[in-house]
Amino acid sequence: EDQVTQSPEALRLQEGESSSLNCSYTVSGLRGLFWYRQDPGKGPEFLFTLYSAGEEKEKERLKATLTKKESFLHITAPKPEDSATYLCAVQAGTNAGKSTFGDGTTLTVKP
Amino acid sequence: GAGVSQSPSNKVTEKGKDVELRCDPISGHTALYWYRQSLGQGLEFLIYFQGNSAPDKSGLPSDRFSAERTGGSVSTLTIQRTQQEDSAVYLCASSADIFYEQYFGPGTRLTVT
Repeated sequence: EDQVTQSPEALRLQEGESSSLNCSYTVSGLRGLFWYRQDPGKGPEFLFTLYSAGEEKEKERLKATLTKKESFLHITAPKPEDSATYLCAVQAGTNAGKSTFGDGTTLTVKP
Repeated sequence: GAGVSQSPSNKVTEKGKDVELRCDPISGHTALYWYRQSLGQGLEFLIYFQGNSAPDKSGLPSDRFSAERTGGSVSTLTIQRTQQEDSAVYLCASSADIFYEQYFGPGTRLTVT
């Protein structure tokens, strides 16, 4: 059974204080690892897809990396508008199309 | 272009009643997914449709839950004889194909009283 564990559950940062969110996964035949951002009362918004170990993607203050066991979402010099819940999801070749989501990390950035 | 839309945005129903939730995916997307999100929790997979293939229903929690997708586009999730534990936000997503990123609708908040 595919498993995704995100840590920490909650993270409070001061504006400008860089940090990382972790997503550990156990799947048989990873086809893709996805990061989403979810604001309160809204559906998740796609951020990145990573397909193979060593791959990195960047967007503004966010950078996602992937190893064979985990992914990190690095947040550089965060701003209050980066406050949200960040979700990680995996798709495995053995469960074509079915996505397994972690419980998310809720990030709060204080000005 | 238009994103994924869901209706209604909120639904309050009495225990034992049936409800229908609707999802309009992004035009041209072949894959459509339904998820359930309880307060403060991650997303629980319910079902997905891919083109004309048989849907993967492995996440449906009981036989009270069913879903269909008509004409490869609009989808309806039906919950029969609703229970209080069915209260949650139901999210729909679509993607250009499986293994692609998913685009989510705003969700339907279901409250069973």
